[in-house]
Amino acid sequence: AQSVTQLDSQVPVFEEAPVELRCNYSSSVSVYLFWYVQYPNQGLQLLLKYLSGSTLVKGINGFEAEFNKSQTSFHLRKPSVHISDTAEYFCAVSENKLIFGTGTRLQVFP
Amino acid sequence: SQTIHQWPATLVQPVGSPLSLECTVEGTSNPNLYWYRQAAGRGLQLLFYSVGIGQISSEVPQNLSASRPQDRQFILSSKKLLLSDSGFYLCASSPTGTGNDYTFGSGTRLTVV
Repeated sequence: AQSVTQLDSQVPVFEEAPVELRCNYSSSVSVYLFWYVQYPNQGLQLLLKYLSGSTLVKGINGFEAEFNKSQTSFHLRKPSVHISDTAEYFCAVSENKLIFGTGTRLQVFP
Repeated sequence: SQTIHQWPATLVQPVGSPLSLECTVEGTSNPNLYWYRQAAGRGLQLLFYSVGIGQISSEVPQNLSASRPQDRQFILSSKKLLLSDSGFYLCASSPTGTGNDYTFGSGTRLTVV
């Protein structure tokens, strides 16, 4: 069965610093991988997704993620964060349905 | 492209009262439909999914049920709400047979008091 583990429940970081949010998945077949962002009191917004092809996926707002099949990981990165990046980030995996991780709260401090 | 209409946006209900949340989809036929719940401070949990009219799969045992009376209509219900049913409920859809393209509604924030 598919599952997702987000290792960090909270990640504090200073503005303009780089950040990496970790995600590991488990699946018996090829999967699609996603990162979503949820700003306070709002719905979900798709940041990026991996379907096939290049393992480095670029998304919106300067985020990117790298698919690593051997390590079953799909970590999200941004080289320089802004205050406005403060939000909850969800990694998700899809075989025939979308399963989410428990989320990582990114808190950016000035 | 798909559009999801989900209502109401917020809802406050007393314990023991019934619940009905509705979700409708535009822009696609025979979609896969999903209900998720996000409890306070927790992740998004898949509650139900449906691959067709009258076909409902439950992911977790709970106080809720789902129905799909029409191709693009998905309803989440409860006969008697519990305090633990409070949370943020999201409806989602994906084109049948793909698994790589999901659209989400704007959500319903349910508070059971």
